Amino acid sequence: NAGVTQTPKFQVLKTGQSMTLQCAQDMNHEYMSWYRQDPGMGLRLIHYSVGAGITDQGEVPNGYNVSRSTTEDFPLRLLSAAPSQTSVYFCASSYLPYRGAGYTFGSGTRLTVV
Amino acid sequence: AQKITQTQPGMFVQEKEAVTLDCTYDTSDQSYGLFWYKQPSSGEMIFLIYQGSYDEQNATEGRYSLNFQKARKSANLVISASQLGDSAMYFCAMRGTGSGNTPLVFGKGTRLSVIA
Repeated sequence: NAGVTQTPKFQVLKTGQSMTLQCAQDMNHEYMSWYRQDPGMGLRLIHYSVGAGITDQGEVPNGYNVSRSTTEDFPLRLLSAAPSQTSVYFCASSYLPYRGAGYTFGSGTRLTVV
Repeated sequence: AQKITQTQPGMFVQEKEAVTLDCTYDTSDQSYGLFWYKQPSSGEMIFLIYQGSYDEQNATEGRYSLNFQKARKSANLVISASQLGDSAMYFCAMRGTGSGNTPLVFGKGTRLSVIA
């Protein structure tokens, strides 16, 4: 099925550990982005990419790294997990805005840092 | 910069009644799109309705309609004949649709509770 696949769905980390949240899409979308969702805050943009090799920071980029080596994949790396990074993370993809505005979201990753 | 404001943290509505969820936005883009998403307790983001800034008609999708008032920069969601399954978080969002690569920006959401 075409769409955005996020793995894992759930993860518990200890403070200071690192990990990578995976995101893959098979719709040939140029645009991919990562959001975090916290209670009362809506979805806030962490990083985004407009194509392979091109990434940019969003509203809350600190503590996260991204890379985009292929059109399909956009992993999010937590370098040294902190309790403040406990959140639900969503990956989303779309065509470039002038080609169509709609986004497709993954099912989310619930991350707990203890 | 773009900004979405949803001023209603929570709303209650009686089953079968209509409800309006408020959304105002701010942008310097001339071409933009406005979205509403539903997030049930299961957590997935469900796309409901889209309005382009140059669309002359208000968007409708089944029981959902978007009351778009461009001069007032508002894009309110109207749900007619509410059902118990409409209980969820609702997010208003927008992005530019011109040549710039602007991301989707969300409001903080409104939690709707439908009462039997």
